[in-house]
Amino acid sequence: QKEVEQNSGPLSVPEGAIASLNCTYSDRGSQSFFWYRQYSGKSPELIMSIYSNGDKEDGRFTAQLNKASQYVSLLIRDSQPSDSATYLCAVTRWAEKLTFGTGTRLTIIP
Amino acid sequence: DAGITQSPRHKVTETGTPVTLRCHQTENHRYMYWYRQDPGHGLRLIHYSYGVKDTDKGEVSDGYSVSRSKTEDFLLTLESATSSQTSVYFCAISESGVNSPLHFGNGTRLTVT
Repeated sequence: QKEVEQNSGPLSVPEGAIASLNCTYSDRGSQSFFWYRQYSGKSPELIMSIYSNGDKEDGRFTAQLNKASQYVSLLIRDSQPSDSATYLCAVTRWAEKLTFGTGTRLTIIP
Repeated sequence: DAGITQSPRHKVTETGTPVTLRCHQTENHRYMYWYRQDPGHGLRLIHYSYGVKDTDKGEVSDGYSVSRSKTEDFLLTLESATSSQTSVYFCAISESGVNSPLHFGNGTRLTVT
């Protein structure tokens, strides 16, 4: 079992719809959870962090964390073509070990 | 954007040669990291530093060494490059460790022939 799992996609979503990205993790002791966006050929950039159960909203983005079920998700509302990218889920475990999933490739269809 | 510069941006080298990649930051952050990114594996931690001359291994450290003699510079050395080290290498910095956001450099694409 991978430590952090994501559906690799590609996930295709019509423009203006809600994109839903999911991530599961294996370590119940995980403390911090992040979503990074990576455009093709570019470096990852942080878009959301979440540390406690529940929802966290930032503009069109909402991160959802459920520690009991060991999953974290990212919702993107009113999807735009500029949201087309690979989304990386990252989870902290023990000290200084931030584990990344392999990413979900999202394509927004105009 | 966080002030992180990686050099070189691209490098082609031959098997068995030593290679050094440089990461330079202007943010005065304590923590610095080296990751490699490969298809199907995602980002994997090679080494990290939590202060000047304080470094530790990540999950894929074999064949790599690091040094940090100044807060702003973190060097990654491949002692004797192998084809399996062909990858994209990212440096990242963080103000207070992995429980705070990482800011990535633009990456170095290394090809070992």
